[in-house]
Order: sequence, then structure tokens, then C-alpha cells
Amino acid sequence: DIQMTQSPSTLSASVGDRVTITCRASQSISSWLAWYQQKPGKAPKLLIYKASSLESGVPSRFSGSGSGTEFTLTISSLQPDDFATYYCQQYNSYPITFGQGTRLEIK
Amino acid sequence: QVQLVESGGGVVQPGGSLRLSCAASGFTFSSYGMHWVRQAPGKGLEWVAFIRYDGSNKYYADSVKGRFTISRDNSKNTLYLQMNSLRAEDTAVYYCAKGQSGAPVVFDYWGQGTLVTVSS
Repeated sequence: DIQMTQSPSTLSASVGDRVTITCRASQSISSWLAWYQQKPGKAPKLLIYKASSLESGVPSRFSGSGSGTEFTLTISSLQPDDFATYYCQQYNSYPITFGQGTRLEIK
Repeated sequence: QVQLVESGGGVVQPGGSLRLSCAASGFTFSSYGMHWVRQAPGKGLEWVAFIRYDGSNKYYADSVKGRFTISRDNSKNTLYLQMNSLRAEDTAVYYCAKGQSGAPVVFDYWGQGTLVTVSS
């Protein structure tokens, strides 16, 4: 199975900050990576797929990059609505696996 | 608009069974692969199972293989998860999720989830 490791596990930041979350795969997954946002008590929401493609309706302050084994999710200017938990997901092969999550909290 | 509504969760004893349903609307259900994803209390996301749009292929996580069965009824726009031999570690919110067009293993819409608690 492909292991996905996110860092950091928790990130404290302020409104307006630029933040980056990293996701590493235990083997190459090409660009078969997605990012999701989840708020407490809610279902996850798709933000990015194929490493860097923005899902329709997602604000352009979210961006993704990377390929192979190292990927990043960047939020260019944090908004109050962005404080949530973020997960990466590989879909290069079954079983589909997620990172453990990065909790983005208000500093 | 796409809607996915799960039902069937509840409290069940270890070793028991439960069947979850996911009613889909707002899209052509029979054209899309569908998934179940779960989340234990306070934990991260775990993919559980996938079924191809026509039901011809199914994949399972090792943790549920042989105990859970995913199925669908395209005439009723409904996805199912039959869960047998339940264990305490199966306690979680279970989400159904729609596969993205062109990328069935990207989850572009999710239901609100249904809680399954396995406890004596």
C-alpha cells in the first residue's frame, strides 16, 4: 500500500498569511493526487485534483503543485473560512489512501 | 444539484450486521463510479470500497475485505454497503462519495455521513 504523510500535523496561522502544507508519498504516484478540506461535523470537500487542477468553484487562492512523491497545497492569503483540516489522497493505485490530515488553526 | 443521502447507521453489537444505503439525485447515477469512505471519531479518512458505474468491478480496503459488500441498484439510484461481522474498530461515520467524471477515484461529491457504532 502507498503511505501518504502530511506535514505539519497542525499549523497555526493568521488571516492573510500564505501557508503551505506538504504531502509525501511512499512511492511515486505521478500526479494522481487530490486535496480535500474538511470542517468539523461536515463532509470533506474536493479542492484540487491531479496535483494542480482546481476544482470548479474553489477560490483561486488555493493551489497545488508537485509530482512523483512530493506535493504541496498552498493557500495564498488565508481567509477566516479556510481554518479547517486538510487531507491529501493518492489515487495512483488501490487501495486508495489518505494522509493523516493537517489541522489549520487560527494563531 | 448533486445530492447524496446516507441512511442505515446505528448501534450494533460486535459480530452483528448492518446495511447502509446512499440515495443519489441530481446526476446520472448509472454513469459514475461510487465509493464508501469512513472516518472513525476524531480520526482521519479511510477509503472503504468502490464500485464501477455498472457494478462490474469492485474494490475493497483490506480492513473490510470478506466482511463488507458494496453494491448498487441503478434503477433506484441507490448505493449500498452490507456490513457483516462488525468489529469495534468499524465504528465510524460512513460517507458515500461520487467518483469524478474521467477520474472515478477522485471524490467530487460527498453525502453528509451516517454514524455506525459497534458496541456491546
